[in-house]
Amino acid sequence: AQSVSQHNHHVILSEAASLELGCNYSYGGTVNLFWYVQYPGQHLQLLLKYFSGDPLVKGIKGFEAEFIKSKFSFNLRKPSVQWSDTAEYFCAVSSGGSQGNLIFGKGTKLSVKP
Amino acid sequence: DAMVIQNPRYQVTQFGKPVTLSCSQTLNHNVMYWYQQKSSQAPKLLFHYYDKDFNNEADTPDNFQSRRPNTSFCFLDIRSPGLGDAAMYLCATSRDVAAGKLFFGSGTQLSVL
Repeated sequence: AQSVSQHNHHVILSEAASLELGCNYSYGGTVNLFWYVQYPGQHLQLLLKYFSGDPLVKGIKGFEAEFIKSKFSFNLRKPSVQWSDTAEYFCAVSSGGSQGNLIFGKGTKLSVKP
Repeated sequence: DAMVIQNPRYQVTQFGKPVTLSCSQTLNHNVMYWYQQKSSQAPKLLFHYYDKDFNNEADTPDNFQSRRPNTSFCFLDIRSPGLGDAAMYLCATSRDVAAGKLFFGSGTQLSVL
């Protein structure tokens, strides 16, 4: 069965620090990869996604993620975080044509200190 | 201008007392999903509707049912809630199953006393 692992439960950074959140998945076939973000008091929303093509994907608000197939990884990065990036970040994977059946990781809570 | 609306935001029910959670959408999307998210765990798909076609996940308990009377509305019925069913329930929509982007509601936090 597919699974998604997010390495960090809670990350605390100061503003302007660089961010990298780890995500690994277990599935040997074709996958579609997503990062969703949930700001405090708000609903989950899509940050970025990878289906095919360039493995370096750019999303909203300066976020990017790199798909490394050999490592089954899809880590999220941002060179300089802001206080407004404080949120919970979820990595998710789906296989083949079943993009609706997303398998989520447990999430990483990011706290950015002003 | 919320696009996926879940009511109520908080729901309290008693052990064994049936409860219904509701979800509506203004996006006219074909697919509607229900996810269960327990504290510190990943959201877990319970089932989804593609139009009127119901798709149940293999490990979703029989205690959980769903109805979609029209495109806009979808309901989650828990026939006999147990303490272990206390969770956040998330509704989401997508244009189709290959759309690659889900739109989520704010969720309903269910407590079981």
